[in-house]
Amino acid sequence: DGGITQSPKYLFRKEGQNVTLSCEQNLNHDAMYWYRQDPGQGLRLIYYSQIVNDFQKGDIAEGYSVSREKKESFPLTVTSAQKNPTAFYLCASTPTRVNSPLHFGNGTRLTVT
Amino acid sequence: GENVEQHPSTLSVQEGDSAVIKCTYSDSASNYFPWYKQELGKRPQLIIDIRSNVGEKKDQRIAVTLNKTAKHFSLHITETQPEDSAVYFCAAYSYGGSQGNLIFGKGTKLSVKP
Repeated sequence: DGGITQSPKYLFRKEGQNVTLSCEQNLNHDAMYWYRQDPGQGLRLIYYSQIVNDFQKGDIAEGYSVSREKKESFPLTVTSAQKNPTAFYLCASTPTRVNSPLHFGNGTRLTVT
Repeated sequence: GENVEQHPSTLSVQEGDSAVIKCTYSDSASNYFPWYKQELGKRPQLIIDIRSNVGEKKDQRIAVTLNKTAKHFSLHITETQPEDSAVYFCAAYSYGGSQGNLIFGKGTKLSVKP
């Protein structure tokens, strides 16, 4: 929906395991983002990428890693170093980074027990 | 860096009444202010945005006003309907530091009672 596909919708993992969340877009957007959403916390930026093979840390990057090998794809790995990984993760994209509205995917709800 | 405060955190109105959500921002260089609506379990969707060269923008029952001097902007929904019930997020584009990005408020849960 909206050209951004996140999978899976729900993900369950045991504590100590790394897990990778998928994000694919067919909008030909240059910039892609990962946000984390917790109840009452709004959306917090984890990582973003403006071009292929380049990405930057956001406000809460610790315990996460990303790659941008293709323009269409921006997977997020939640590592075992992330202390509180249970959350709703949203991927987004924009045509350019400056002053552009974000187009969001449908999100992945990760539960770690 | 930019800080965006959003109030109220919850808002309950009767169907047909108006709803107003207010946001303040700290970075005077910010010049782009979008509003997103998020229904339960779904992705945020852009409903309206405003740039700093205008003071007000309307789209049917939704309007946004911007006061750059006071550094605040507001979302106004008139003739509310039950389908307006959702969480609304304001955001401001921040140019601070080594990166520019949208900074979001913490959201307002709007409930429209039939």
